Amino acid sequence: DIQMTQSPSTLSASVGDRVTITCRASQSISGWLAWYEQKPGKAPKPLIYETSNLESGVPSRFSGSGSGTEFTLTISSLQPDDFTTYYCQQYNSYPWTFGQGTKVEIK
Amino acid sequence: EVHLLESGGGLVHPGGSLRLSCAASGFTFTSYTVSWVRQAPGKGLECVSSVSVSGDNRYYVDSVKGRFIISRDNSKNMLYLQMNSLRAEDTAIYFCATIMSARPCWGQGTLVTVSS
Repeated sequence: DIQMTQSPSTLSASVGDRVTITCRASQSISGWLAWYEQKPGKAPKPLIYETSNLESGVPSRFSGSGSGTEFTLTISSLQPDDFTTYYCQQYNSYPWTFGQGTKVEIK
Repeated sequence: EVHLLESGGGLVHPGGSLRLSCAASGFTFTSYTVSWVRQAPGKGLECVSSVSVSGDNRYYVDSVKGRFIISRDNSKNMLYLQMNSLRAEDTAIYFCATIMSARPCWGQGTLVTVSS
């Protein structure tokens, strides 16, 4: 199985900050990576698919980049609604695997 | 509009059984591998099981092998997860999900609680 290592596990930041979350895969996943945000009690909401494609309706302050085994999610200017948990997921091969999650907290 | 709707969750005693269902609509169900993903309380996401378009290829995470069975009925656009010999550690929200044209699609989930 492909292991996904997501960092940091917790991130403290302020409104307006630029933040970056990283996911590293144990082998190449050829760009088949998605990013999700998850609010408490809700299903994961896709933000980005295939490394860098923004889902419909997702604000442009979110962006994704990377290739091979290293990928990043960037929020250019944190908004109050962005303080939640984020996950990466590889879907290059089954089983799908996920990063451990990053909780973005208010500093 | 693409829609996945899970049902069948509930409270069950350890050792009991439960069958989850996922109704798919708004897309060609018969063209995509579909999966069950779970999330235990306060924990991360884990892909439990996946089934190929034809149903011939099935994946199970080690912790559920021999206890869970995934199946699909392409004539009804339905995905199922038969869960037997349930354990406390199976307590989680179970989501059905698929990838269509590189884009993930998830249902809202159904809660399974295993407790005496």
